[in-house]
Amino acid sequence: DTEVTQTPKHLVMGMTNKKSLKCEQHMGHRAMYWYKQKAKKPPELMFVYSYEKLSINESVPSRFSPECPNSSLLNLHLHALQPEDSALYLCASSHRQGYGYGYTFGSGTRLTVV
Amino acid sequence: KQEVTQIPAALSVPEGENLVLNCSFTDSAIYNLQWFRQDPGKGLTSLLLIQSSQREQTSGRLNASLDKSSGRSTLYIAASQPGDSATYLCAGPRGGNQFYFGTGTSLTVIP
Repeated sequence: DTEVTQTPKHLVMGMTNKKSLKCEQHMGHRAMYWYKQKAKKPPELMFVYSYEKLSINESVPSRFSPECPNSSLLNLHLHALQPEDSALYLCASSHRQGYGYGYTFGSGTRLTVV
Repeated sequence: KQEVTQIPAALSVPEGENLVLNCSFTDSAIYNLQWFRQDPGKGLTSLLLIQSSQREQTSGRLNASLDKSSGRSTLYIAASQPGDSATYLCAGPRGGNQFYFGTGTSLTVIP
């Protein structure tokens, strides 16, 4: 299995809702990442998990809460989002965090906040 | 801080042409560089990963080179096809930990 699977593919949520994005990989990768991508812009790093521990938080607002319950799963919990948070959310994984390892991306979750 | 720039921002070519996409980075202490393809509204598909010890990588009609001394990487696409139309992104490591992306080149191949 050489894929990163993201669910759901599309999500529409109100500003008072709580929702979660899910990311799963079974490649034995021990580093997992969340990226946010706005239209016609490159992906921007949000969080990095290494061996199930949060390694990097790129000053992301607390309304985004990541969780890595095991080595295969990465969640992004969403609460009280703003319309400007509407974007494509991409999950990626790599063998390890660090030099020399390529990334595998999922197909993304298209989030719309209304 | 690693800055990654891609030129041109957009490119339109007739089918069958060979083309080159450019990626420039500011930190020559780069360990690897990865090229991705992204179709509209979709995720990223990895095309080629070049380690710092390598000068180039090839996959089918694609060839990517890496010149650390000049801070440049190129993606060469031979005999372009309409199915190659997409945005191409290069990504290089920042601080050795994770990739940061270039600005992308939007490619349109005209049948």
